[in-house]
Amino acid sequence: QSVLTQPPSVSGAPGQRVTISCTGSSSNIGAGYDVHWYQQLPGTAPKLLIYGNSNRPSGVPDRFSGSKSGTSASLAITGLQAEDEADYYCQSYDSSLSGPRVFGTGTKVTVL
Amino acid sequence: QVQLVESGGGLVKPGGSLRLSCAASGFTFSDYYMSWIRQAPGKGLEWVSYISSSGSTIYYADSVKGRFTISRDNAKNSLYLQMNSLRAEDTAVYYCARTGGSGYSYAVDYWGQGTLVTVSS
Repeated sequence: QSVLTQPPSVSGAPGQRVTISCTGSSSNIGAGYDVHWYQQLPGTAPKLLIYGNSNRPSGVPDRFSGSKSGTSASLAITGLQAEDEADYYCQSYDSSLSGPRVFGTGTKVTVL
Repeated sequence: QVQLVESGGGLVKPGGSLRLSCAASGFTFSDYYMSWIRQAPGKGLEWVSYISSSGSTIYYADSVKGRFTISRDNAKNSLYLQMNSLRAEDTAVYYCARTGGSGYSYAVDYWGQGTLVTVSS
């Protein structure tokens, strides 16, 4: 049972905007710890998508953006494309855990 | 370019042991924290363990504490995970992962391709 909760699935038509929430608490996101996002295409290893709440690594399209507020974070995908169909995970640090790095529950994005 | 190549996965009986290895190349291995992260079939990601660059700081998930041991050999650019007393619920793909430095806010910036561990009688 993860301490970071994401919706199991979101969907959108090509070209639309979708958002994925990552809800935490005062011991993780609310404590000011950074949130990172990963994309996992089917059958592949995860890939870093957003780091430090809102920064994109080199090569990640600017259609992907991240934000953080209070005890939650969000990933937005604008201009949704077929190749964006994947699982997305948030990740942060939780001071209440003995193994303090934690992933969100994951969200499946489906392009209709 | 950065490469992380896992090996050592396979089929093992409940209660058995397995040792995973990760060969790193393309970067100064001794400068980075490293982790093992797993994913059970059809499930999400779970952080198993991580180790500091020198090996002096180690953390484990509660689910593996006392059964798994992470280690590294900076001279051989290698990361290891010794898994003992394996259970069916340890069945997963195990990824070797590099934690980026402060420039990446300590996110995982590189992942291996993963090695499958199956615990079954």
